[in-house]
Amino acid sequence: DAGVIQSPRHEVTEMGQEVTLRCKPISGHNSLFWYRQTMMRGLELLIYFNNNVPIDDSGMPEDRFSAKMPNASFSTLKIQPSEPRDSAVYFCASSWSSSYNEQFFGPGTRLTVL
Amino acid sequence: QKEVEQNSGPLSVPEGAIASLNCTYSDRGSQSFFWYRQYSGKSPELIMFIYSNGDKEDGRFTAQLNKASQYVSLLIRDSQPSDSATYLCAGTSGTYKYIFGTGTRLKVLA
Repeated sequence: DAGVIQSPRHEVTEMGQEVTLRCKPISGHNSLFWYRQTMMRGLELLIYFNNNVPIDDSGMPEDRFSAKMPNASFSTLKIQPSEPRDSAVYFCASSWSSSYNEQFFGPGTRLTVL
Repeated sequence: QKEVEQNSGPLSVPEGAIASLNCTYSDRGSQSFFWYRQYSGKSPELIMFIYSNGDKEDGRFTAQLNKASQYVSLLIRDSQPSDSATYLCAGTSGTYKYIFGTGTRLKVLA
């Protein structure tokens, strides 16, 4: 079975440009998470979807960030306009919703904003 | 602010020794704890989870939870160079929301 799929794996862009990160969760999972990882702040939850509905977006840094989940097999995280401080690795994870269930992480997208 | 604290390391141990990784948490409502391993440039992968006080063993790994002291640990017996990675501790208060520590980097010296 395929795991969580993310694209692109690497993204280099210039400040002010729009960036779109994509995620395909594991089939059958109904929870999807977007995380950001930096050396300073570690792994931070940005937004959580359950059954395609955004439940908690309190971790989204500011209005420049938005996320959508139009169906059970696809989600996007968009940054517009991007800034150098957005440079990080962005992970998508999915699980069958339960506090005891493992969150499966995708390979991540390494974003560099120049 | 609910927090999970880990020593960033690196923790260096010789091959074959026991590596002890520790984690403290501030939220007394936390019920379940997870240990993830993350190799450099890779994504986190689950090693173990624990939700009851005491020890839980799985192969060379033992997770320990002490809710009174708000302390979680991971012991790796017979450490191998392939265990060299960053280990992330995460807690949840019974919901979807995991609070991750910043991780401890482990180096197993051959």
